[in-house]
Amino acid sequence: AQKITQTQPGMFVQEKEAVTLDCTYDTSDQSYGLFWYKQPSSGEMIFLIYQGSYDEQNATEGRYSLNFQKARKSANLVISASQLGDSAMYFCAMREFGGKLIFGQGTELSVKP
Amino acid sequence: EADIYQTPRYLVIGTGKKITLECSQTMGHDKMYWYQQDPGMELHLIHYSYGVNSTEKGDLSSESTVSRIRTEHFPLTLESARPSHTSQYLCASSGYPWGTNPTSYGYTFGSGTRLTVV
Repeated sequence: AQKITQTQPGMFVQEKEAVTLDCTYDTSDQSYGLFWYKQPSSGEMIFLIYQGSYDEQNATEGRYSLNFQKARKSANLVISASQLGDSAMYFCAMREFGGKLIFGQGTELSVKP
Repeated sequence: EADIYQTPRYLVIGTGKKITLECSQTMGHDKMYWYQQDPGMELHLIHYSYGVNSTEKGDLSSESTVSRIRTEHFPLTLESARPSHTSQYLCASSGYPWGTNPTSYGYTFGSGTRLTVV
């Protein structure tokens, strides 16, 4: 069965430093997509970054980058130069064949001033 | 400007009441989804639809039901609300082709409904 695992329930980072949020996945599909979302306390899901399984280069979007290691089935999110507004829940998700998104358990990131 | 709308945003209701959570999208997406999320926890898929008159149960068992009579509308109904139904409910939609919309890569989420059953 497809599965997403986030093993860090909570993370702390100092403002302006970089932080890595871990995500591993399990799938037997050859074609899949990996997503990271940010969820502030208001509850909405904010799309951050996407990596397709056939993409050879790691995805980057501004301060966000995705460290994609296909053989290890990991898709870690790297946030550079953390800001106080980055404090939120972060979810890794995978698109299954057929289109459903499955989510990991989430990581609560706290940025310290 | 949101392309997927959920109402109400917050709902407090008494035990035993029937409720319907509304979800509408304007993108013409065939696929729609309902997720249930307790505070600080992961999102669990409870229902999905691949088109009109198509509904399936998700990975998490739910006492709620859904309908898909129109492409744009995917309401969720609880016939008799209980305190155990207290949660956030998020609606989402997706459409082809994936990977070409740089703002979402195919998926759009509503703002969610926070349901409290007292």
